Amino acid sequence: GENVEQHPSTLSVQEGDSAVIKCTYSDSASNYFPWYKQELGKGPQLIIDIRSNVGEKKDQRIAVTLNKTAKHFSLHITETQPEDSAVYFCAASEGTGNQFYFGTGTSLTVIP
Amino acid sequence: DTEVTQTPKHLVMGMTNKKSLKCEQHMGHRAMYWYKQKAKKPPELMFVYSYEKLSINESVPSRFSPECPNSSLLNLHLHALQPEDSALYLCASSPEGQLSGANVLTFGAGSRLTVL
Repeated sequence: GENVEQHPSTLSVQEGDSAVIKCTYSDSASNYFPWYKQELGKGPQLIIDIRSNVGEKKDQRIAVTLNKTAKHFSLHITETQPEDSAVYFCAASEGTGNQFYFGTGTSLTVIP
Repeated sequence: DTEVTQTPKHLVMGMTNKKSLKCEQHMGHRAMYWYKQKAKKPPELMFVYSYEKLSINESVPSRFSPECPNSSLLNLHLHALQPEDSALYLCASSPEGQLSGANVLTFGAGSRLTVL
């Protein structure tokens, strides 16, 4: 089955700096890669996703890149703000299926 | 309406109690999920209902019993739980069966369960 690894497990950045979280996956059949942000006491919220026919996707301060050959994808947050502090999970799936394989999470702290 | 609504938000129960968690969505999604999440860990899949039929059961103990009364509702019945079952229980839904696009997963806010 699919195995998703996520690094780092914790990340602290100064407000205004950039943050990068990296994930690797093992199953070449995976073709959909969502990123979730989970704030304390809340459920995971989808913040951006990418499909395997696209190499990069941006949404304001957030971007995701995908390297299918190397089987890794990354989340980039620019101009970080304190409200970006949360746990971020990457995931991989076959796209149309019901199995989503989650990374172990990254706890991001943005220091004002 | 783009929300998955879960009730109750918090539940405390004894090991001999019977309780239920409820989940509702009105996005027309045809797949609904139960996940269990321990602190600082990713969500772990428990059950998936697809078109109101149980399609995935990740070898969950029988003290957890899912039910899907209709395409908008999902319940998780709890009986004779153990303290180690204390966790955040997340409901999610996805469109399923789209001709194009991925099966995007939308989570609810979760029900925080404490078993005494």
